[in-house]
Amino acid sequence: NAGVTQTPKFQVLKTGQSMTLQCAQDMNHEYMSWYRQDPGMGLRLIHYSVGAGITDQGEVPNGYNVSRSTTEDFPLRLLSAAPSQTSVYFCASSYAPLAGGYPVETQYFGPGTRLLVL
Amino acid sequence: TQLLEQSPQFLSIQEGENLTVYCNSSSVFSSLQWYRQEPGEGPVLLVTVVTGGEVKKLKRLTFQFGDARKDSSLHITAAQTGDTGLYLCAGAGDSGAGSYQLTFGKGTKLSVIP
Repeated sequence: NAGVTQTPKFQVLKTGQSMTLQCAQDMNHEYMSWYRQDPGMGLRLIHYSVGAGITDQGEVPNGYNVSRSTTEDFPLRLLSAAPSQTSVYFCASSYAPLAGGYPVETQYFGPGTRLLVL
Repeated sequence: TQLLEQSPQFLSIQEGENLTVYCNSSSVFSSLQWYRQEPGEGPVLLVTVVTGGEVKKLKRLTFQFGDARKDSSLHITAAQTGDTGLYLCAGAGDSGAGSYQLTFGKGTKLSVIP
């Protein structure tokens, strides 16, 4: 299994440009999510999906769109890039096996996309 | 909003020393996880703790979940240079779809000096 794959690894954009960050997983996980990681801010949830056709907003959704047409793919779209979106973006997929009667989320992260917006 | 505070933010120690990293919240979590992240890579899950008071050991790493399920600690015995990295704690919500959403702390950056 390849796990979670992300493309591209690096990207430089000009302000106002749009682009799509790709994420794919081959573990048949229902739940997928996108995070951004900034120095001193930790990982912040952008959008997530609990299954194909279902998406919802996380903590910092503004300026980003997502869709989930298949279980495997969860692309993140930047509509009009801004310098504030310079960050490292991580995609994750997860499942929740039961332990002690509770679902225990187990997340697998991709290697990240480093984005610079000029 | 559930918040997780990690301390210390930075830690630099000599190889062979012991250390403890803390993760605290005012909220109750159904489970809490610890990840390690190396430069240029995504976080990798180390352990999940579920039961209040639970202690789990992973070689030289000992993880503990607080009795009230609001806090956790990570203790490393005889640190090695390979332990260097960013340690993140993350708490899972306590019901329904919220159990899939993780709240992350800001991390503790550990440097182990030879």
